[in-house]
Amino acid sequence: QVQLVQSGAEVKKPGASVKVSCKASGYTFTSYDINWVRQATGQGLEWMGWMNPNSGNAGYAPKFQGRVTMTRNTSISTAYMDLSSLRYEDTAMYYCARSAFGADSYFDYWGQGALVTVSS
Amino acid sequence: DIQMTQSPSSLSAFVGDRITITCRASQSISSYLNWYQQKPGKAPKLLIYAASNLQNGVPSRFSGSGSGTDFTLTISSLQPEDSATYYCQQTYSARTFGQGTKVEIK
Repeated sequence: QVQLVQSGAEVKKPGASVKVSCKASGYTFTSYDINWVRQATGQGLEWMGWMNPNSGNAGYAPKFQGRVTMTRNTSISTAYMDLSSLRYEDTAMYYCARSAFGADSYFDYWGQGALVTVSS
Repeated sequence: DIQMTQSPSSLSAFVGDRITITCRASQSISSYLNWYQQKPGKAPKLLIYAASNLQNGVPSRFSGSGSGTDFTLTISSLQPEDSATYYCQQTYSARTFGQGTKVEIK
């Protein structure tokens, strides 16, 4: 069965960076995009960007351009999201989600989430 | 950027009621519209894709319609387990979520 398993909770200081991982299993890792979505406590879903594991190409939401990097290691079917220059308002649950390539896609499988807390 | 606006922000209804949630896009997105359900402490779950297609395993009381800029999610007979927050998402250009609609059972 398809599974996306994310790394554990992190506590970081303002200005630091965090790297969250998302390990895929149960399907061909390079056949689907990996997206990253975050959700602050009590708030809505915010799409951060996508990464194509086959090519390594990535696209980021304007809000995160310059601060986020999405990468992968195909040998271990794992995607990564690196967010730098952390601010208090980056405290949130970070989810990875799988989607087919292209506009007519949808997020059919999600990771369990990784809580990132930014605190001094 | 394409903005997605959901209404209402919250609603409360009885078991068995028919409820409708609306999602409006700031420009035409054809049928590139998905709906998700999220319960507290859980990851979102896909309900409807491409505006009107029911995801495998989702009860048939859920349905979606619309195209262009206006879309609806309907629950034909509300059940206790449908208490959740519902989000629309456009995939026409990048990806954007609506702000969510919280559904409560009276």
